[in-house]
Amino acid sequence: QITLKESGPTLVKPTQTLTLTCTFSGFSLSTSGVGVGWIRQPPGKALEWLALIYWDDDKRYSPSLKTRLTITKDTSKNQVVLTMTNMDPVDTATYYCAHEPYGPHRFDYWGQGTLVTVSS
Amino acid sequence: EIVLTQSPGTLSLSPGERATLSCRASQSVSSSYLAWYQQKPGQAPRLLIYGASTRATGIPDRFSGSGSGTDFTLTISRLEPEDFAVYYCQHYGSSPFFGGGTKVEIK
Repeated sequence: QITLKESGPTLVKPTQTLTLTCTFSGFSLSTSGVGVGWIRQPPGKALEWLALIYWDDDKRYSPSLKTRLTITKDTSKNQVVLTMTNMDPVDTATYYCAHEPYGPHRFDYWGQGTLVTVSS
Repeated sequence: EIVLTQSPGTLSLSPGERATLSCRASQSVSSSYLAWYQQKPGQAPRLLIYGASTRATGIPDRFSGSGSGTDFTLTISRLEPEDFAVYYCQHYGSSPFFGGGTKVEIK
């Protein structure tokens, strides 16, 4: 059974750096073809993909946010970490991590999400 | 960068009716990389369809996906009360992008 859970601060100040951790179970990020992605959703708005990391350490970033994002993995801890620099109130959103399996691209398992508010 | 446009923004229907949701890409995309998700208030999205037409595990057969090129459709043959939600399409090119969503609400 695959599960993912996001953790990190619920409140950050403008200009600060956000660090979120996705802790997962039921799969290994050393398995060929597997990836973990981060997606966010501002209140009342649509989903926005942020970043993705694959089993082989291949990393993908949203073109509009790539200068602010870093994604890393710790296979031994079953964790993926996302950092986002220079946080702004418009970055207030629920942040999700999700599992991408081998094969046709899709996110088949999602964490419950964590709401991050950016405010001074 | 491929843009996905979903229409309509809101669909008002009654239980038992058929829902047809559209996802249009700004340029031709591979159907292998087109997915649909359902999201209910306060919940994470749930994968419904991938590869444009393959139902994910556990998804009822009243949900179907079709299309190719730039035009893709999610059809719900007969709406059940639990189907009223927001639906997103997603394409994976060099990286994944989501459409803006279609809300299916009770008429």
